[in-house]
Amino acid sequence: SQTIHQWPATLVQPVGSPLSLECTVEGTSNPNLYWYRQAAGRGLQLLFYSVGIGQISSEVPQNLSASRPQDRQFILSSKKLLLSDSGFYLCAWNLLADTQYFGPGTRLTVL
Amino acid sequence: SQQGEEDPQALSIQEGENATMNCSYKTSINNLQWYRQNSGRGLVHLILIRSNEREKHSGRLRVTLDTSKKSSSLLITASRAADTASYFCATDVGRIQGAQKLVFGQGTRLTINP
Repeated sequence: SQTIHQWPATLVQPVGSPLSLECTVEGTSNPNLYWYRQAAGRGLQLLFYSVGIGQISSEVPQNLSASRPQDRQFILSSKKLLLSDSGFYLCAWNLLADTQYFGPGTRLTVL
Repeated sequence: SQQGEEDPQALSIQEGENATMNCSYKTSINNLQWYRQNSGRGLVHLILIRSNEREKHSGRLRVTLDTSKKSSSLLITASRAADTASYFCATDVGRIQGAQKLVFGQGTRLTINP
């Protein structure tokens, strides 16, 4: 069966520090991968998606970037965090089916 | 403006009662999905209804879709305390290079009181 992992689970970082969040999927090959951000009490905003290794598309211009160095690994990064980057970051995957499967999320607080 | 808007934003009912949540959207869709999120956790897929379907059931869940009104509703019957969570509608507005674009609503926070 397929599983999706995210780490770390929580992160507190100072403004201006770098960021690296990791997402990995097990039990499937060549998945579509997605990064979402959820502000407190709000819905999800799609940040990036990837249909293959090295293929990244951005939905919203911002302080973040994404990379996909391996088939089942998706990384969200920032060189310098802003206060507005705080939120709950969710990774998701799917194949041709319409359902997306979400990871447990990373709670990021920028102080 | 927001594609998916949910109503109400918060709902509190007694255990055993039915809970109804509504979702409105603005553009054409391939399908509409409902997800559940327990506090501080990831989202779990509940049910999907395609644009050519009007009603779908899954256990205690009933979803309706009215494409002429661009709206959907989620009914949870015989609610349980464990149903306490936030519920999100997500509209599938198409595929880009094979990737799916889901647009999420703001969610309804459901509280079931024992």
